[in-house]
Amino acid sequence: GQSLEQPSEVTAVEGAIVQINCTYQTSGFYGLSWYQQHDGGAPTFLSYNGLDGLEETGRFSSFLSRSDSYGYLLLQELQMKDSASYFCAVIGRGKLQFGAGTQVVVTP
Amino acid sequence: GAVVSQHPSRVICKSGTSVKIECRSLDFQATTMFWYRQFPKQSLMLMATSNEGSKATYEQGVEKDKFLINHASLTLSTLTVTSAHPEDSSFYICSAPRIAVGGNEQFFGPGTRLTVL
Repeated sequence: GQSLEQPSEVTAVEGAIVQINCTYQTSGFYGLSWYQQHDGGAPTFLSYNGLDGLEETGRFSSFLSRSDSYGYLLLQELQMKDSASYFCAVIGRGKLQFGAGTQVVVTP
Repeated sequence: GAVVSQHPSRVICKSGTSVKIECRSLDFQATTMFWYRQFPKQSLMLMATSNEGSKATYEQGVEKDKFLINHASLTLSTLTVTSAHPEDSSFYICSAPRIAVGGNEQFFGPGTRLTVL
């Protein structure tokens, strides 16, 4: 089967840097994605890693190590609007399976 | 970017009735769509994979006779919750993948909040 682990909650101040780790176990691994979800809203795509290494998109970066079955999402220059849930999701066997999500709380 | 729509956005129904939720890909064709359910403060749980022109594939523990899925065209999938009960109250979200060179992105609909009284 598949399993993903990520921390349940992270709290940080505005301007700080937050790293959300994700470890996974799956068969037929294709890639790792990250999604952001605000309360009451639908998930929105943040990034995708199909190969090892770092992908940078503005203030957000994502990293993947396939040999370690590990990835992380890095949020830089935190803003209040970044308070949300962040999900890592494994793409495998044509499906997307989500982790439990990390609630990021940004304080002034 | 690609857009996926869902209708209705919110529905309240009586126990025992059936509710149909539509998911449309607006500017791309989707031979596959996915249906998720999300309870408050929890993750998205994949319910089933909707395949255009063939039967849906359901995840373990999801009753196919209760959650009827039809993928009528390359841009439309429907989920019907039959004989709904209060425990079916949840946030239902569909998604459609668009696989491109160098990337793999799922586009999510805005979700449908179902409340069964």
